[in-house]
Amino acid sequence: GENVEQHPSTLSVQEGDSAVIKCTYSDSASNYFPWYKQELGKRPQLIIDIRSNVGEKKDQRIAVTLNKTAKHFSLHITETQPEDSAVYFCAAASGGSYIPTFGRGTSLIVHP
Amino acid sequence: SAVISQKPSRDICQRGTSLTIQCQVDSQVTMMFWYRQQPGQSLTLIATANQGSEATYESGFVIDKFPISRPNLTFSTLTVSNMSPEDSSIYLCSVVAGVGEQYFGPGTRLTVT
Repeated sequence: GENVEQHPSTLSVQEGDSAVIKCTYSDSASNYFPWYKQELGKRPQLIIDIRSNVGEKKDQRIAVTLNKTAKHFSLHITETQPEDSAVYFCAAASGGSYIPTFGRGTSLIVHP
Repeated sequence: SAVISQKPSRDICQRGTSLTIQCQVDSQVTMMFWYRQQPGQSLTLIATANQGSEATYESGFVIDKFPISRPNLTFSTLTVSNMSPEDSSIYLCSVVAGVGEQYFGPGTRLTVT
């Protein structure tokens, strides 16, 4: 089955800095890569996703890149704000199932 | 998107008892799932709730422990049976809508004493 590795497990940045979270996957059939943000005590929320037919996708301060050859994808957050503090999960899904395998999560802390 | 509600939001239960968690979606969806999330951990898929047929369980999860019902395309229940303290966790239902986007319910925080 699919295996998703996520790094780092904790990321601490100053407000205004950029943050990068990296994930690798093992199944070359995976073609859908969502990212979720989970604030403390809240449900995971989809913040951005990318499909295997594109290499990069951007939504305001958030961008995701995908390297299919190397089987890795990354989340980039620019101009971080304290409200970006949360746990971020990457995931990979294959075929038509859309059942993702999740990474272990990255706890992002943005210091004001 | 999809609006998902869960009941109860939290419960404290005695070991050996069972708890049934309800999940309601505001629109008909084909794919509905149940996850478990232990404190500080990632999301672990328990099973896919299939409408009109038996749920599909992931490795390590069995129907006798986690029976699931899916009577229609907007509703599902998960029962945690014969509970032990190790079952203390957050249980989340989720659905896939649109073109693969997954949405989660608010979760049920279960504590077993």
